[in-house]
Amino acid sequence: EIVMTQSPASLSVSPGERATLSCRASQSVSSNLAWYQQKPGQAPRLLIYSASTRATGIPARFSGSGSGTEFTLTISSLQSEDFAVYYCQQYNNWPLLTFGGGTKVEIK
Amino acid sequence: EVQLVQSGAEVKKPGESLKISCKGSGYSFTSYWIAWVRQMPGKGLEWMGIIYPRDSDTRYSPPFQGQVTISVDKSISTAYLQWSSLKASDTAMYYCARQSAVAAGDYWGQGTLVTVSS
Repeated sequence: EIVMTQSPASLSVSPGERATLSCRASQSVSSNLAWYQQKPGQAPRLLIYSASTRATGIPARFSGSGSGTEFTLTISSLQSEDFAVYYCQQYNNWPLLTFGGGTKVEIK
Repeated sequence: EVQLVQSGAEVKKPGESLKISCKGSGYSFTSYWIAWVRQMPGKGLEWMGIIYPRDSDTRYSPPFQGQVTISVDKSISTAYLQWSSLKASDTAMYYCARQSAVAAGDYWGQGTLVTVSS
């Protein structure tokens, strides 16, 4: 089983600042990595797939990078609606999938 | 418009059985896998398992193997998650999600809250 580890567990950021979230895989997942955003009381929403491709309708301030075992989600200028929990998911071991533990982005 | 619509909230007693559903519309239901995801109160997302509606190929995450059953009725574009004997620890929100090997989980259901309490 591929284990996904996200860091930090929580992050305090001021509106307008940049946020950088990390996700590490226990073995290579190539570029088969997705990022999701979840707000309280809502279902998760796909932000990024194939490590760096924005999903339909996702603003350009969200960007993903990395391959192999190290991945990064960057939010270039945090807006109020971006405060949420973010999860990474590997799908390289298709169709066996795993999520990371999540990073909570809070208002500073 | 692609939609996954899940069945409503359930309140059950320990030991009871339950089957919740996820109905897809707006796309070719048999062309995409459907995954089930658990979220316990205040916790993260856990991938439970996945099914391919075209041939019912089903895989489970090891912690959930033998604990739940995933099935599908492609004639009505609906996937199911069922328990034969619920435990209090099954209390959680359950989501279904359309999954592909290209675009991951691009559409999600609204979630079904399952509460198990005596």
